[in-house]
Amino acid sequence: GENVEQHPSTLSVQEGDSAVIKCTYSDSASNYFPWYKQELGKRPQLIIDIRSNVGEKKDQRIAVTLNKTAKHFSLHITETQPEDSAVYFCAASMAGGFKTIFGAGTRLFVKA
Amino acid sequence: DGGITQSPKYLFRKEGQNVTLSCEQNLNHDAMYWYRQDPGQGLRLIYYSQIVNDFQKGDIAEGYSVSREKKESFPLTVTSAQKNPTAFYLCASRTPNYGYTFGSGTRLTVV
Repeated sequence: GENVEQHPSTLSVQEGDSAVIKCTYSDSASNYFPWYKQELGKRPQLIIDIRSNVGEKKDQRIAVTLNKTAKHFSLHITETQPEDSAVYFCAASMAGGFKTIFGAGTRLFVKA
Repeated sequence: DGGITQSPKYLFRKEGQNVTLSCEQNLNHDAMYWYRQDPGQGLRLIYYSQIVNDFQKGDIAEGYSVSREKKESFPLTVTSAQKNPTAFYLCASRTPNYGYTFGSGTRLTVV
């Protein structure tokens, strides 16, 4: 069935370093790939998304890349700050569909 | 706050009791969702609704029920058939751009 695999499950970086989280999806019909950030005890919030007609998208310190052929997409956070510490979820869906498949999440720790 | 309101924030259920979690949105979104999140785990889909008076089972629907009588409201009932209901429950609606807006969640505990 449809599946999204996310790695690593835990990531610890020093403040100022970069962090990269990778996801692989199984449904080749997927064409919308959002990323959500969930701080401890809070709701997930959409931080960036990418559609299948582009290969990369940036928003300040975060960027997402998509390789449709390999069915891979990644989140890149540069110049990490302690407030970036959270759980990050990748997801995949068809833009016209009603179900989104989430990855299992990556817990990012940014050490000051 | 965010257009989706979940209540209560904390809920305690006794063995054999049904409880209902509220989810209300003022975003005029058609599609709404219920997810369950266990500690340190990802999001598992319980039920979703594409439109009023319509809903479909997700991956873990057993022991849960929903209704969608109004566009704004998508309540979730956790029945006594759900043997392990302790979890964090998140309601969401889908934006026109296909991303999700989540509510602040309800933390359900069996006592």
